[in-house]
Amino acid sequence: EAQVTQNPRYLITVTGKKLTVTCSQNMNHEYMSWYRQDPGLGLRQIYYSMNVEVTDKGDVPEGYKVSRKEKRNFPLILESPSPNQTSLYFCASSFKGGPGELFFGEGSRLTVL
Amino acid sequence: GQQLNQSPQSMFIQEGEDVSMNCTSSSIFNTWLWYKQEPGEGPVLLIALYKAGELTSNGRLTAQFGITRKDSFLNISASRPSDVGIYFCAGPDSNYQLIWGAGTKLIIKP
Repeated sequence: EAQVTQNPRYLITVTGKKLTVTCSQNMNHEYMSWYRQDPGLGLRQIYYSMNVEVTDKGDVPEGYKVSRKEKRNFPLILESPSPNQTSLYFCASSFKGGPGELFFGEGSRLTVL
Repeated sequence: GQQLNQSPQSMFIQEGEDVSMNCTSSSIFNTWLWYKQEPGEGPVLLIALYKAGELTSNGRLTAQFGITRKDSFLNISASRPSDVGIYFCAGPDSNYQLIWGAGTKLIIKP
């Protein structure tokens, strides 16, 4: 089944404790992206990757890192999480060169205390 | 920068009613995408529009790419409880990254 898989789905952590949210897609998509969704603010892009080893900042990259060492994986790293990073995070991928028609993961709800 | 204005913000309707929502842009778009997000899930693509004036249907859903290329409409006919969710419009900016509307929340009155 074609899908985008995120882990963990739910996480409660404390300020400053490094964490990684993994994202994997099995559709051989070149493009991958991370979004955060907050009430009243809609979907905001954090980082995106047009292909392996190519990553770029989105609208809200501060406090986040990403890497794209393989085509299928695009982990989101929070080196020192803060409470303002409490949010619902989505990974998405697309087979076209740009964002095109995105396939989304089920989301990862992160709470930073 | 480019912005998408989506309206209405929310809709409370009776089951069986037709629904209409729209999205407008401050600048021209070459593609319009409509997504639906159900509670606890990620957005799912409903309809993609690539040509000004294009009208595309997907079951009870119909979307149109406005002739000015600055707007798009989504209609749902004979609404059902399964239509509940948040509907987002989106379009690519000059860097081919998607810009998103704030969403229209659809609620069906019991």
